[in-house]
Amino acid sequence: DADVTQTPRNRITKTGKRIMLECSQTKGHDRMYWYRQDPGLGLRLIYYSFDVKDINKGEISDGYSVSRQAQAKFSLSLESAIPNQTALYFCATSDFDSGGINTGELFFGEGSRLTVL
Amino acid sequence: AQTVTQSQPEMSVQEAETVTLSCTYDTSESDYYLFWYKQPPSRQMILVIRQEAYKQQNATENRFSVNFQKAAKSFSLKISDSQLGDAAMYFCAYMDTSGTYKYIFGTGTRLKVLA
Repeated sequence: DADVTQTPRNRITKTGKRIMLECSQTKGHDRMYWYRQDPGLGLRLIYYSFDVKDINKGEISDGYSVSRQAQAKFSLSLESAIPNQTALYFCATSDFDSGGINTGELFFGEGSRLTVL
Repeated sequence: AQTVTQSQPEMSVQEAETVTLSCTYDTSESDYYLFWYKQPPSRQMILVIRQEAYKQQNATENRFSVNFQKAAKSFSLKISDSQLGDAAMYFCAYMDTSGTYKYIFGTGTRLKVLA
C-alpha cells in the first residue's frame, strides 16, 4: 500500500459544486502539504500544515480550504468549484530524520486529477 | 522572493546517451537544499537527487549527477546512459532551511528518450 494515499484519483464535477480531496499517510510525518500542478506552471503550494494545530496558507490559497483531522489526515476542499481549478492536485509529507535533520524530501501521493466543467 | 527557473520545456536524448537538464534559482539565503524530482507518466513524483548548499561536492545517485554552482546559482542534472524509463517530467526544486522549509518548484522539463 502507498505511504501517502489520495482519494479520489480522478474526479469530474460541475461549476459550483463542493469538492473534497482527501489525503492520508502512514509515514508518521507531522508535515503535510497540498500542491496544485498545472501545465507550464510546475507545482504551486496551496496550504501546508506542520502539525494538527498549525495550518498555513501557501501561495495560491484563494478558493480553497483545508482541514487537518489528525496527524495522518489532511483534506483539501473547494467550496464552490470553478473551471480554472481544473488541475492535478498532490498531497505530500515531509519530516525530520532520526538525527533531527530535515532531509527536505517530500513524499507524494499519486495525485488527484480534478476536472471542473 | 526565491525563484526557480527551468528554461528547457522539452529535451530529447538518444537511448544510452547523456543529457543535461538546466536549472537556475535565485535566493539571498546561504543555506538551502536543491532537488530534482521525476514525474513519469504514472504521475507519481519521485525524488531523484538532493544537494545541500553547504556541501561543495556534487551529489550523485547512480546514473544521475548534478553540477552545483552556488555562486552562479545553477543546479543542472546530468543523466548518463539514458534509458527508456528515464522518460518523464523533471522538476527542479529549492527548499529554504531558514525555518519555514517551504519548497519552490520550477516549471519542469519534459525528457523524451529515443530508442
